[in-house]
Amino acid sequence: DTEVTQTPKHLVMGMTNKKSLKCEQHMGHRAMYWYKQKAKKPPELMFVYSYEKLSINESVPSRFSPECPNSSLLNLHLHALQPEDSALYLCASVGQGEVGTDTQYFGPGTRLTVL
Amino acid sequence: GEDVEQSLFLSVREGDSSVINCTYTDSSSTYLYWYKQEPGAGLQLLTYIFSNMDMKQDQRLTVLLNKKDKHLSLRIADTQTGDSAIYFCISGTASKLTFGTGTRLQVTL
Repeated sequence: DTEVTQTPKHLVMGMTNKKSLKCEQHMGHRAMYWYKQKAKKPPELMFVYSYEKLSINESVPSRFSPECPNSSLLNLHLHALQPEDSALYLCASVGQGEVGTDTQYFGPGTRLTVL
Repeated sequence: GEDVEQSLFLSVREGDSSVINCTYTDSSSTYLYWYKQEPGAGLQLLTYIFSNMDMKQDQRLTVLLNKKDKHLSLRIADTQTGDSAIYFCISGTASKLTFGTGTRLQVTL
C-alpha cells in the first residue's frame, strides 16, 4: 500500500469558519508534510513533521495550525482564512517504497476555496 | 537558495517523443526526480535518477543526467494523450525537495 489519502477532496469555507484537513498514510512513514499549491505554480512547503514532532514551519501564518496525533495521521486546522488562501493543499509522506529508496509520496490534495 | 528551471510548455503529437528539459543548481542533490501532476490531482513519482548515473531507462521513460552542466532531461517515447499533465523536475533529497516550475505537456491528435 503506497497510498496517502486526504479528506475532504473539496472544501468551501467562509472567512469566519473553522475547518480541518486530514491526511492519512499506513506505510509506516515517519515524516509527513503539508504543501500549498496555487494554480500553475509548484507546491510550496508549509510544515514538516518528523516522528510526530514539528520540525519545519516555513513561516506560515498562525491561521494555519498543524497537528500530528499519531504517526499515521496529520491534520491541518484552518481558522480565519483569507480568500488568498484558496489553493490545493497537498499532504506527503517520506519513506522507502517500491523504488527502493526514500521518496516523497503525495496525496491527491484538498481543493480549498475561501469566500 | 537552490533553483530548478524548466520550460513552461511543450506540445507534441500523439505517437511522437517528448523531451522535457531542466537545469538545477544544487550540486549536492543525491537524487533527481520527475513527478507528474494531472489536473486537480496530487503529484505522482514517475522516475528518479541517482546523481552518479548518466542515464536511466524505465519502459517509455528515459532520463539523461549531465552532472557537469547540471542538466536533466526526461524523454517519453510514443507519447499518448494520457501523458498530458504537468511534469516537475525536482532536485534535493527525499526530505527536502526543490521544485522546478513545471512543464505543461500537451499531447495533440
